[in-house]
Amino acid sequence: AQSVTQLGSHVSVSEGALVLLRCNYSSSVPPYLFWYVQYPNQGLQLLLKYTTGATLVKGINGFEAEFKKSETSFHLTKPSAHMSDAAEYFCAVTVGIAGGTSYGKLTFGQGTILTVHP
Amino acid sequence: SQTIHQWPATLVQPVGSPLSLECTVEGTSNPNLYWYRQAAGRGLQLLFYSVGIGQISSEVPQNLSASRPQDRQFILSSKKLLLSDSGFYLCAWSDGLGGTETQYFGPGTRLLVL
Repeated sequence: AQSVTQLGSHVSVSEGALVLLRCNYSSSVPPYLFWYVQYPNQGLQLLLKYTTGATLVKGINGFEAEFKKSETSFHLTKPSAHMSDAAEYFCAVTVGIAGGTSYGKLTFGQGTILTVHP
Repeated sequence: SQTIHQWPATLVQPVGSPLSLECTVEGTSNPNLYWYRQAAGRGLQLLFYSVGIGQISSEVPQNLSASRPQDRQFILSSKKLLLSDSGFYLCAWSDGLGGTETQYFGPGTRLLVL
């Protein structure tokens, strides 16, 4: 079974400041990891994903995340926050086809609401 | 390119009334399809998933049902709505070929049961 923990349900930063959203996962097999963003009253949009290979993954809107197996983490960062980054962010994990009964199923964290102050 | 549609966007229904939410995907064949519910402060809960026409798996016991009458059509239904059915319903698809199984989400339907 897999699980995801997002540390901090609310994060507040000033415009131009570093954004750091924390995600830790638990998985018995090598995971695939995702970050999604959700703007108010909209669906989830894929920001970035880690599958295999390079552990530093770059996504849309200037976000990136680093897979650290030893720390079971996949934290999301952006060097300089913009007002338009205010949204809710979800970390998710799946084990893909190698996971047997977990095939195709995403497990989501509880979400982190990012507020950006001018 | 692939697109996913959901309708209606917003729905207000009385308790005890029926429900039908529709989701369609364009630009792909034989996708895996998913229904999620997002209740306030409770994250995303997977309700149903389907790997093919007529093949539905339920993740949690509930007042809802799902059907897949066509390859790229996924319907969420209820015979009698409960207050607890209120929430934001999201449909998603993945390419069904295994591997990373990246899921792509629709715009969602906001359901308010009164």
